[in-house]
Amino acid sequence: EPEVTQTPSHQVTQMGQEVILRCVPISNHLYFYWYRQILGQKVEFLVSFYNNEISEKSEIFDDQFSVERPDGSNFTLKIRSTKLEDSAMYFCASSDLGPFRGIGKLFFGSGTQLSVL
Amino acid sequence: GENVEQHPSTLSVQEGDSAVIKCTYSDSASNYFPWYKQELGKGPQLIIDIRSNVGEKKDQRIAVTLNKTAKHFSLHITETQPEDSAVYFCAASPLTTGGYNKLIFGAGTRLAVHP
Repeated sequence: EPEVTQTPSHQVTQMGQEVILRCVPISNHLYFYWYRQILGQKVEFLVSFYNNEISEKSEIFDDQFSVERPDGSNFTLKIRSTKLEDSAMYFCASSDLGPFRGIGKLFFGSGTQLSVL
Repeated sequence: GENVEQHPSTLSVQEGDSAVIKCTYSDSASNYFPWYKQELGKGPQLIIDIRSNVGEKKDQRIAVTLNKTAKHFSLHITETQPEDSAVYFCAASPLTTGGYNKLIFGAGTRLAVHP
């Protein structure tokens, strides 16, 4: 069964350092997302990406964050200068268009646990 | 914006019993309501979903009901088994014009099924 894969599974970094989280979405999907989950809290939407541009971003997704689809298979989330509060589990997800516009099923990867020290 | 409330936060049942998890949403424009199961160390896994033009959907031991007037939806698991133990998240997706899904999640329910 096709799945979303994320690497690395764990990332430890020092405050102020740049990190890149990587994802390989399901191959025929058109929409890509990043969500995050701070320990014990809700899963939160960060950003959606379609046709090589951001469709929507949340208030969390400030200038320190960026996303890129550098080739036909990878989708990355970059945090330029990490802060302590960026520590969280980051989930990549992808969806196809679905039978009703805007209601494609989201499939999530296993996540990258980011720890900022 | 949309807000999703989920109850209970924890639920403990005996194997074979039924489990019910309830969610309410605030945005009447939401039209898609998936449920995800998250096991330890894994990402959320879609287990069932319902669209706003349907009141109930069933898949084997799992069913979801939707009351659009009251803005609430529920997950029902019958004949629970120990492997059903996990954290369950409800979500709502407000209608978007961009053709994508922006899921707003509930806080999750930790379900424990005891043999």
